[in-house]
Amino acid sequence: DAGVTQSPTHLIKTRGQQVTLRCSPKSGHDTVSWYQQALGQGPQFIFQYYEEEERQRGNFPDRFSGHQFPNYSSELNVNALLLGDSALYLCASSPYLAGGPDTQYFGPGTRLTVL
Amino acid sequence: AQSVTQLDSHVSVSEGTPVLLRCNYSSSYSPSLFWYVQHPNKGLQLLLKYTSAATLVKGINGFEAEFKKSETSFHLTKPSAHMSDAAEYFCVVSETGDKIIFGKGTRLHILP
Repeated sequence: DAGVTQSPTHLIKTRGQQVTLRCSPKSGHDTVSWYQQALGQGPQFIFQYYEEEERQRGNFPDRFSGHQFPNYSSELNVNALLLGDSALYLCASSPYLAGGPDTQYFGPGTRLTVL
Repeated sequence: AQSVTQLDSHVSVSEGTPVLLRCNYSSSYSPSLFWYVQHPNKGLQLLLKYTSAATLVKGINGFEAEFKKSETSFHLTKPSAHMSDAAEYFCVVSETGDKIIFGKGTRLHILP
């Protein structure tokens, strides 16, 4: 079992560009959550996907959007990148929607740098 | 509203000595509390969780934490530090299971 995988591992973009990050959940998991971890901070919840729909959303602007595919994999899209979007983006999968934090398995993250 | 405060951004201990990482929480309800560890280039890993059962919770790798409602604390301890314990540690609070709040983290340094 490969666990949660994310791609790419690192990414460099310039202000105003758009970026897409990808996540494959752990086998048997159907719920995917995305987090932003700025340098020196704890992860902050962006949104959660289940059955190809956004189920919950944290306090992030509409520039942040996502998608979940029928195979449960997910994408995080960020438009009009700002310098402040530079962070480690974490994906977590869980086996069911109502599971608590302890049911989430985290990927290693994608490091996004915005210049 | 729920929140969590990790009182130390960095903690340094010598190998073989005890570890104490401090966490205070604020919650309107009976919260669930967790500790996670993050090693470089690896995913966050759950160390232990408290969900209103025993107040002393044992986790993996010799870590344990004690829930003290009167002090609104959930400090993480380990009797004897190992070099492999060097990492970032996060205290997490969850009231409803779906909204989770991470602390800012404590970087643990192990001195040889």
